[in-house]
Amino acid sequence: GESVGLHLPTLSVQEGDNSIINCAYSNSASDYFIWYKQESGKGPQFIIDIRSNMDKRQGQRVTVLLNKTVKHLSLQIAATQPGDSAVYFCAEITTGNQFYFGTGTSLTVIP
Amino acid sequence: DAGVIQSPRHEVTEMGQEVTLRCKPISGHNSLFWYRQTMMRGLELLIYFNNNVPIDDSGMPEDRFSAKMPNASFSTLKIQPSEPRDSAVYFCASSPGSWFATNEKLFFGSGTQLSVL
Repeated sequence: GESVGLHLPTLSVQEGDNSIINCAYSNSASDYFIWYKQESGKGPQFIIDIRSNMDKRQGQRVTVLLNKTVKHLSLQIAATQPGDSAVYFCAEITTGNQFYFGTGTSLTVIP
Repeated sequence: DAGVIQSPRHEVTEMGQEVTLRCKPISGHNSLFWYRQTMMRGLELLIYFNNNVPIDDSGMPEDRFSAKMPNASFSTLKIQPSEPRDSAVYFCASSPGSWFATNEKLFFGSGTQLSVL
């Protein structure tokens, strides 16, 4: 089946630094991508999304970049804060409306 | 809005016992999803309902698993008999529209941590 994988299972950053979380996807037909944040003991929460006809989208302190040439997605968090510590999942939705989650990257913010 | 509500938060049971997980989706949402999360396999879609009708249950691992949605505000996921390998966090999620029609997003509950001994 299709797969969504993450390059780094764990990431530690100093408070105030920028964080970059990466994700590789395998299906060229993927039309839509979402980043989710999952805090301990909670369900995943929507952070930001991007459609395949875009290469960049910005939110509040977060930016998602999409490189369709190499099938790569990244989430950038500016001025990382302790509250950003969580597991981050990328998810791809194909044109056949199949929804796949990556395995997650654990982000730890060091005060 | 209270969000997606799941119960119980934690369930510990013995192998062979029946387990029932419950979910109340966000009011007005038309789609409901059951996911299972493990360290090894991440988030796996088990079943998806749209307007209370099961649309895709291809992710249900075995006949021991069954899910129902008797009305728009309630769904259950049942495992009978349970096995230790069923231990995982089970999430329910709901979405306003149909299967990711246009910019649809999933809203997740807090999950049920299931431990089968």
